[in-house]
Amino acid sequence: DAGVIQSPRHEVTEMGQEVTLRCKPISGHDYLFWYRQTMMRGLELLIYFNNNVPIDDSGMPEDRFSAKMPNASFSTLKIQPSEPRDSAVYFCASSPTSGYNEQFFGPGTRLTVL
Amino acid sequence: GDSVTQMEGPVTLSEEAFLTINCTYTATGYPSLFWYVQYPGEGLQLLLKATKADDKGSNKGFEATYRKETTSFHLEKGSVQVSDSAVYFCALSDTYSSASKIIFGSGTRLSIRP
Repeated sequence: DAGVIQSPRHEVTEMGQEVTLRCKPISGHDYLFWYRQTMMRGLELLIYFNNNVPIDDSGMPEDRFSAKMPNASFSTLKIQPSEPRDSAVYFCASSPTSGYNEQFFGPGTRLTVL
Repeated sequence: GDSVTQMEGPVTLSEEAFLTINCTYTATGYPSLFWYVQYPGEGLQLLLKATKADDKGSNKGFEATYRKETTSFHLEKGSVQVSDSAVYFCALSDTYSSASKIIFGSGTRLSIRP
């Protein structure tokens, strides 16, 4: 079975540019999560969706960040305009509806903003 | 609110040494507890889990026992290998509060010397 798929794996861009990160969750999973990981702040939950509907976006750092889930098999995280402090590894994870809430992580997108 | 506190790293051990990484938690309900592992350049993956008090989770020689009386879930391995070098995250999911969110600890980096 394919796991969570993220693209691109690496992204290098210049400050002020728009960045779009993509995620395909595991088929049949109802929950999708976006995380950011940095050395300074560790792993942070940005937003999560249930059945394509955003449930909690309290972790989204600023209005420059937005996330969408147009259907059950695709989600995007967009940063516009990007800034150097957005440099991080961004993970997508998905989870089935269950009592134990185990999450399955993608390989991540390493974003560098120059 | 719910939280996870784990042993700060980095932890450096020699091959075949005994490993303990301490983890304690605070939760209002009856959480499920997890250990995730992150190998260099990869996403997090579930190592083991326990869903109720006194349960023991185990995988790849690692074990952790859910101790409700001490609110702990310490990770142990009897004989570590170089390939165990990674970052280990303790985590909980409180199924009686925010559905499907997982609260992660800050991570403990483990390095094993040959």
